[in-house]
Amino acid sequence: KNEVEQSPQNLTAQEGEFITINCSYSVGISALHWLQQHPGGGIVSLFMLSSGKKKHGRLIATINIQEKHSSLHITASHPRDSAVYICAMNTGNQFYFGTGTSLTVIP
Amino acid sequence: NAGVTQTPKFRVLKTGQSMTLLCAQDMNHEYMYWYRQDPGMGLRLIHYSVGEGTTAKGEVPDGYNVSRLKKQNFLLGLESAAPSQTSVYFCASVSYTEAFFGQGTRLTVV
Repeated sequence: KNEVEQSPQNLTAQEGEFITINCSYSVGISALHWLQQHPGGGIVSLFMLSSGKKKHGRLIATINIQEKHSSLHITASHPRDSAVYICAMNTGNQFYFGTGTSLTVIP
Repeated sequence: NAGVTQTPKFRVLKTGQSMTLLCAQDMNHEYMYWYRQDPGMGLRLIHYSVGEGTTAKGEVPDGYNVSRLKKQNFLLGLESAAPSQTSVYFCASVSYTEAFFGQGTRLTVV
């Protein structure tokens, strides 16, 4: 059983659409990370959250600690946003990863 | 992925051979991790370390050993490689405020 559940697994969007990826986790955490991985590429940390909301450019990440839920939003999506987005929870000692959401943005 | 260097990037091994992967960080992070990534399986934790001289098993530790003799280096060893260890390996270096990943090692065991 994965401690971190992500949805959807796959997502196709038209350029310009607003995108939401959801992450639910089952145990107490010290922080939650949103990561991005391009095909054949390395992994980059987009956000690290322990509460509230963070924004970086067109990306917004929110977390609700009580509901054990986080969302990653992409506004005005672009083909270069096509990647796998991974939610990871940090329990203090260990990281647990979701299986990722594969996003394809079509021009 | 500034601050984390993972070597080598590619390797082909024959069954039974051994090798060591190196993860080096210069950010003074305490926490370091080794993961493997397989299609449809996501990232799975092999071993991790919460500080110099300490290591612990993760989700899939069998067939691997690790060492953290120096804070900046976390080594992953395969003593006798098996085809099931064909995968992409990532290391991560984490503090309370940031996380950095290595570029990955694509390992093929034939």
